[in-house]
Amino acid sequence: GAGVSQSPSNKVTEKGKDVELRCDPISGHTALYWYRQSLGQGLEFLIYFQGNSAPDKSGLPSDRFSAERTGGSVSTLTIQRTQQEDSAVYLCASSFFGMTLDSPLHFGNGTRLTVT
Amino acid sequence: KNEVEQSPQNLTAQEGEFITINCSYSVGISALHWLQQHPGGGIVSLFMLSSGKKKHGRLIATINIQEKHSSLHITASHPRDSAVYICAVRGFGNEKLTFGTGTRLTIIP
Repeated sequence: GAGVSQSPSNKVTEKGKDVELRCDPISGHTALYWYRQSLGQGLEFLIYFQGNSAPDKSGLPSDRFSAERTGGSVSTLTIQRTQQEDSAVYLCASSFFGMTLDSPLHFGNGTRLTVT
Repeated sequence: KNEVEQSPQNLTAQEGEFITINCSYSVGISALHWLQQHPGGGIVSLFMLSSGKKKHGRLIATINIQEKHSSLHITASHPRDSAVYICAVRGFGNEKLTFGTGTRLTIIP
């Protein structure tokens, strides 16, 4: 596709349920990032995938959060046993090969997650 | 103290004014990013720089590595420039960005 695609755009779930958020990066982009933007707070890094290398999971806030990237393309962020503090906009971004000066980040429009 | 501080938090200006948004950071960095987030949430990468100055249209970004400071300037501002501008820094040896809390810019016609 022309840009980074995320689905769903909005998700409302009950506390305790599991959710899956999907990201389709730009074709050919080897680097994929997940970020979270909570209400009234800045963006925070969650996880980074680069090709077939082991992902950098250092930003995941708890073991309820996990992500995978299949075939070096589509990525899924899974939140288990959701809590109200997980409510946020989850943003995906991709770049051709990491964040070099010639390889800018391209962001998706995000998934707005609301945990009730 | 946050690793990345932006000022001002909010800025309202008249169309045509010269705009400056500042970003200070406290850690060593390999690169600094300026991002634009429009109402509705879409984020666009404006600049990535590690030294000096970059210009794109009416936007100019500068960075002073020694002073750990960057500025984003907008010349001849226009209402369509109204957005949140976010500064983010990347350390060494990883792809992790640390973000400022953003500057909300409103340009009045």
